[in-house]
Amino acid sequence: EVQLVESGGGLVQPGGSLRLSCAASGFPFSSYWMTWVRQAPGKGLEWVAKVNEDESEKYYVDSVKGRFTISRDNAKNSVFLQMNSLRAEDTALYYCARGVYYYDHWGQGTLVTVSS
Amino acid sequence: DIVMTQSPDALAVSLGEKATINCKSSQSVLDTSNNKNYLAWYQQKPGQPPKLLIYWASTRESGVPDRFSGSGSGTDFTLTISSLQAEDVAVYYCHQYYNTPRTFGQGTKVEIK
Repeated sequence: EVQLVESGGGLVQPGGSLRLSCAASGFPFSSYWMTWVRQAPGKGLEWVAKVNEDESEKYYVDSVKGRFTISRDNAKNSVFLQMNSLRAEDTALYYCARGVYYYDHWGQGTLVTVSS
Repeated sequence: DIVMTQSPDALAVSLGEKATINCKSSQSVLDTSNNKNYLAWYQQKPGQPPKLLIYWASTRESGVPDRFSGSGSGTDFTLTISSLQAEDVAVYYCHQYYNTPRTFGQGTKVEIK
């Protein structure tokens, strides 16, 4: 069974940093692109970033470029999102998802709240 | 960026009746080299992550009931629920994966009338 489990969310002050993790199991992790999608409270879905199988390709939505970094550790079946210079508008539930095109498996999400 | 616009924002349908959700992209998501539309539909119930329903505009994900169907090409797409069931109450999103950044529609909330 495919499982994606996010962790690392929490309350952080504006300008602070957080590192999100997503632990994957039940599939050959190193063969898949991985993606982060976020959802602000009561709002819709926003694609954030994606990384290919060997980290040679990484892409970001403009609003996080230069502040967020996606990475992965295939030995640990995990994908990460390092978030720096956090802003109030980054407050959201962050999901990791499997795939580069459509996303056939999603985690339950980890909540990031940016507030003073 | 490709803007995805769904209509309506919300709809209420009687049990057993048809529900139709439209999605329009600001540019074509059809790749003419392979004749594939890079368009997916997701269902999200309260407190749950999105669930993939349809990909390549009309291919139903394994395990998804056949009352869900997707159609359309180019810039105009439709998700149809042929006979609404109580468990279909949710928000539905279209999603283009033709270009990066990937983008989603704003969502359509489906309720029981």
